[in-house]
Amino acid sequence: DAGVIQSPRHEVTEMGQEVTLRCKPISGHNSLFWYRQTMMRGLELLIYFNNNVPIDDSGMPEDRFSAKMPNASFSTLKIQPSEPRDSAVYFCASSRGTNTGELFFGEGSRLTVL
Amino acid sequence: AQSVTQLGSHVSVSEGALVLLRCNYSSSVPPYLFWYVQYPNQGLQLLLKYTSAATLVKGINGFEAEFKKSETSFHLTKPSAHMSDAAEYFCAVTGRDDKIIFGKGTRLHILP
Repeated sequence: DAGVIQSPRHEVTEMGQEVTLRCKPISGHNSLFWYRQTMMRGLELLIYFNNNVPIDDSGMPEDRFSAKMPNASFSTLKIQPSEPRDSAVYFCASSRGTNTGELFFGEGSRLTVL
Repeated sequence: AQSVTQLGSHVSVSEGALVLLRCNYSSSVPPYLFWYVQYPNQGLQLLLKYTSAATLVKGINGFEAEFKKSETSFHLTKPSAHMSDAAEYFCAVTGRDDKIIFGKGTRLHILP
């Protein structure tokens, strides 16, 4: 079975540019999560969806960040405009959404904003 | 609200020695608790989980953890460390929703 697929794996961009990160969850999973990992702050939950509906976006840093899930097999995390402090590894994870808490993570997208 | 605290951002043990990684949690409802492992340049993988059944939970690669409600702890142990155990370990908690909160992680170093 295919796992969670994220793209791009690496992105280097300049401050002010728009960044779009993509995620394909595991088929049949109905919860999707976006996390950000940095050395300073660890693993932070940005937003999560259940059945394509955003449930909790309280972790989204500011209005520059937005996330969408137009269907059960695709989600995007967009940063516009990007800033150097957004540099991090962004993980997408999915689960069956049955409160078991078992997340399946993608390999992450490493973002560097110059 | 739920939270976890992992004691020690770095832990070093000798190969063959006991591994003990500490995690304390806070939860307003009976929690589900988890340990995940992250190898370099990879996403996190589930090691084991506690979901209110047996308090001693066995996971993959010889790891286990014990849920102690009186101490609000869920420490991870392995009797004998192996070089391949070197990784970062995350404790996580969730209530009865899908929101999963991770600790800041503990990097485990194995000394030859």
